[in-house]
Formats: sequence, C-alpha cells, structure tokens
Amino acid sequence: AQSVTQLDSHVSVSEGTPVLLRCNYSSSYSPSLFWYVQHPNKGLQLLLKYTSAATLVKGINGFEAEFKKSETSFHLTKPSAHMSDAAEYFCVVSEGYGGSQGNLIFGKGTKLSVKP
Amino acid sequence: IAGITQAPTSQILAAGRRMTLRCTQDMRHNAMYWYRQDLGLGLRLIHYSNTAGTTGKGEVPDGYSVSRANTDDFPLTLASAVPSQTSVYFCASSVEGRGTDTQYFGPGTRLTVL
Repeated sequence: AQSVTQLDSHVSVSEGTPVLLRCNYSSSYSPSLFWYVQHPNKGLQLLLKYTSAATLVKGINGFEAEFKKSETSFHLTKPSAHMSDAAEYFCVVSEGYGGSQGNLIFGKGTKLSVKP
Repeated sequence: IAGITQAPTSQILAAGRRMTLRCTQDMRHNAMYWYRQDLGLGLRLIHYSNTAGTTGKGEVPDGYSVSRANTDDFPLTLASAVPSQTSVYFCASSVEGRGTDTQYFGPGTRLTVL
C-alpha cells in the first residue's frame, strides 16, 4: 500500500530565506506525487505534480520538487520565501499506477510560517 | 467558471440529525470525491465516484453515504450525525479517476455536531 510521510509538522523561516519541506513516500511502483497548498480557511490548490516525466518538477509561485527514487523522497523547495507563502502544505501520493484508478493518500501536512 | 461549489459554508448540527452536504462542479469532470480534514490527520477520503451512476468507498466511509445521479452533483449524506463527524469536509473533482489526474477542490464545509 502507498503511504506518505511529511517529516516536519511545522517549519518556520524568515522572509527571503530558502524553504525546504520534506516528504518521503512508500510505494511498490513508481507513483504519482503531488504537493498541494492550503491557505487559512481555504480549499486546497495544486502546487505541482510528478507523473514519471522529468524528475525535477516546477510549480506555481516559484516552488519546485525533485523526485528521488533511490531516497523515496519528494521534497518541496523554494529559493526565497515570501510572506504570502505562509500556509499548510500537503504531500500526496496516488494509489494508482499510470492511468489506472488512483485515489489520493495525503500526508498530515506541514505548516509553514514566514517571519518578516 | 465557478469550479466547485459547496453548501453550506458551515453548519452546527445536533447529534442524531440527518444532514446533506452539497457539492456541484461545472467543469464536466467525470470523477468526484469527498474528503474530511481533521487537525493533524490531513485529508482522508470518504467516498468517490468515477462517473455518474457509480460510487466507491474510501478510507473512512462509515456513517456516510453518497449518490451520483448526474455528472455535476455529488451530495454527501450523514444519516444520523455523531460528534466524531465534526470536521471540515472538502469536495473535489478530476477529469477522470486516474492516478495522474489533478484533483480540484471546493472551499469546504465546516460541520460541528453537538
């Protein structure tokens, strides 16, 4: 069965410094992986997704993530944090392989705080 | 384009009452989903539907039922609400139910069961 672990429940950075949100997954095959962001009292928005193409995936708002099969990781990074990045971030793995049925398994979330 | 709408925005409900959360999408997506979000647990899938007329159980289906009479609507019913169903409920949709498909989320319904 697929699973995903977000290694930090809370990350705090200063504005203008790099962001690293860590995610490890468990899967019996090469999975589809996603990062979603949730701003306070809002729904979830897709940041980026990996579906077996390029291992370095670029998303919206300057975020990117690298799929590392040997490390079973899919960490989310951004070179320079902005105050508007303060939100909760979810790493997500799909149950499905390729084009087959794929319900999503969510990590427990990492809350990112950005200090001025 | 509205995307996904959910109603109500929030609700306080007495235990034992019946409640239906509404979800409508205007993207003509085939697949729709219901999740609950609880603090520290992320989102957990309750039920899903890959196409009108079909539904499936997710990770936490007990106490909930769904129907999919048409493409656009996917209501979630709590037949007899209990306090443990206090949560934020999100509806989502995707073009198909494939593992590679992006899911689009509604704004959520905050439900409190007393």
